[in-house]
Amino acid sequence: DIQMTQSPSSLSASVGDRVTITCRASQSISTYLNWYQHIQGKAPKLLMHSASTLQSGVPSRFSGSGSGTHFTLTISSLQPEDIATYYCQQSYSALLTFGGGTKVEIK
Amino acid sequence: QLQLQESGPGLVKPSETLSLSCTVSGGSITNNSYYWGWIRQPPGKGLEWIGSIYFSGSTYYNPSLKRRLIISLDTSKNQFSLRLDSVTATDTAVYYCARQRVLVTSSLSYFYYGMDVWGQGTTVTVSS
Repeated sequence: DIQMTQSPSSLSASVGDRVTITCRASQSISTYLNWYQHIQGKAPKLLMHSASTLQSGVPSRFSGSGSGTHFTLTISSLQPEDIATYYCQQSYSALLTFGGGTKVEIK
Repeated sequence: QLQLQESGPGLVKPSETLSLSCTVSGGSITNNSYYWGWIRQPPGKGLEWIGSIYFSGSTYYNPSLKRRLIISLDTSKNQFSLRLDSVTATDTAVYYCARQRVLVTSSLSYFYYGMDVWGQGTTVTVSS
């Protein structure tokens, strides 16, 4: 199995802050990396696929980068509606795996 | 607009079988550009991929669940289903179904992408 490790597990930031979440894969996954936003009580939402391609309708303050084993999700200016848990997921293998999640809160 | 809707019992007894269905509307489950998957979230924990199925019937399962799991398709109802045997309290979770994009090349190489459409989720509790 390909293991996905996210850090930090939680963070607290102020509105307008730049927020960065890191995801590492246990082996190279090229750019087969997806990011999801999960707001409590709702279905997870695909933010980005292929490490850096934004899904339609996702605000441009979200961006992604990386390849191989190291990836980042950045929120350039945190907004109150961004409060959620963020998950990375590898799709290099048909046996999909998620990272443990990063809970983002407003300070 | 494609929509997915999970259905099934909210309470299952330990050692029994958990059965859920996902009905797809606004699109065909036989579209060869997509896999159809199940994901769950136990209380207080993260997302866990359970398994996925292609329109051909080809399946992939989470190795930790493979021994107890069957995912199947019913094209006549445009739905896919999950069957998890011998459940315990650790199977208590919110269960989601989702669509996953796949690219199949002319040389039959498969490239997998994100899960772009999700059902609202259904809570399943395993308890006597």
